[in-house]
Amino acid sequence: NAGVMQNPRHLVRRRGQEARLRCSPVKGHSHVYWYRQLPEEGLKFMVYLQKENIIDESGMPKERFSAEFPKEGPSILRIQQVVRGDSAAYFCASSPAYREETQYFGPGTRLLVL
Amino acid sequence: AQSVSQHNHHVILSEAASLELGCNYSYGGTVNLFWYVQYPGQHLQLLLKYFSGDPLVKGIKGFEAEFIKSKFSFNLRKPSVQWSDTAEYFCAVIRGGGADGLTFGKGTHLIIQP
Repeated sequence: NAGVMQNPRHLVRRRGQEARLRCSPVKGHSHVYWYRQLPEEGLKFMVYLQKENIIDESGMPKERFSAEFPKEGPSILRIQQVVRGDSAAYFCASSPAYREETQYFGPGTRLLVL
Repeated sequence: AQSVSQHNHHVILSEAASLELGCNYSYGGTVNLFWYVQYPGQHLQLLLKYFSGDPLVKGIKGFEAEFIKSKFSFNLRKPSVQWSDTAEYFCAVIRGGGADGLTFGKGTHLIIQP
């Protein structure tokens, strides 16, 4: 079984550009989570989605960041007008049926903003 | 807001030494607890988890952890480490009944010297 897939693995953007990060959950998983890891920090929760619904986005910056998990296709984390402080590793995780279950993580996308 | 503390950010041990990594969390309600490991160049993998029942849980590769509710702790142990255990270890908590994701500690970078 394929695990959580994320692409691209590495993304370089200049300040002001947009970054789109994609996540395909484990087949059959309907819950997706996004986390951000800054240098020397643990992972920080950003957003929790189910198909076509945002369940909790309490960890997401209020501006420039958005996430979706459409009925078909991968989950997308979108960062508009990137700034240097957005440089980080972004991890996606999925779980089968409910939030408290084990989350399975993807390899992450390393975003570098020049 | 809940938080997770990992006491040691860097640990260096010799092969065959015993390991204990500390983890404390701040939330007073029902929690599920996890230890994840990230080997060099790889993504986060689940080592072990506690949901309920026996507070001593066993995971992969000879690791175990003990949940002590009165101390809000979930320390990770291994009686005899190997060089291949060199990795970053993360403790994580998810609170029951909430809507957000995992709360992670900052991680412990473990180096095993041959």
